[in-house]
Amino acid sequence: GQNIDQPTEMTATEGAIVQINCTYQTSGFNGLFWYQQHAGEAPTFLSYNVLDGLEEKGRFSSFLSRSKGYSYLLLKELQMKDSASYLCAATYSGAGSYQLTFGKGTKLSVIP
Amino acid sequence: DTGVSQNPRHKITKRGQNVTFRCDPISEHNRLYWYRQTLGQGPEFLTYFQNEAQLEKSRLLSDRFSAERPKGSFSTLEIQRTEQGDSAMYLCASSLMGEQYFGPGTRLTVT
Repeated sequence: GQNIDQPTEMTATEGAIVQINCTYQTSGFNGLFWYQQHAGEAPTFLSYNVLDGLEEKGRFSSFLSRSKGYSYLLLKELQMKDSASYLCAATYSGAGSYQLTFGKGTKLSVIP
Repeated sequence: DTGVSQNPRHKITKRGQNVTFRCDPISEHNRLYWYRQTLGQGPEFLTYFQNEAQLEKSRLLSDRFSAERPKGSFSTLEIQRTEQGDSAMYLCASSLMGEQYFGPGTRLTVT
């Protein structure tokens, strides 16, 4: 399988910066997605990385290193509404190339 | 609202009954996906359609599960002879290119 690993839980303070890491198997890897999911709601798309490097989108940035099988999501100027689960997901070439393989998600709690 | 819609949002059924869920994707999206999510886990892929053709199906999908997308627009997912282990959130997503957009899900509870 293509194990996607990310921390189960993280806590950070309002206004701070937090980095959520994700590792994945590199064999056949195509691209890496990050989704945000509030409790009881559907995942919403945050970012998609195919090439190495950092992609910035407002308060959220995502980084990818294809050779290391590593990605992170960086959230700046944390707000209480950022409390949610953050899901890392990868796509792989070959059979199943369109399916997203998700990690278990990182539950982020933002505290005052 | 032009996003992905799913019906019903909640379904409670007794073990052994059949259930059917519907997904209406974003109108111009030709790709449609079904996922299942249980508490504390990420979504797990079930099946994928490109237009009306079912191109991928997870090995985890037992023969009690069947999905259709007859005209390449909406899709249905049917579970026959439901079991308590089928209790989960069933998510539908659609895409045109890379990113998949998810619907609100159907939460199934099998009693």
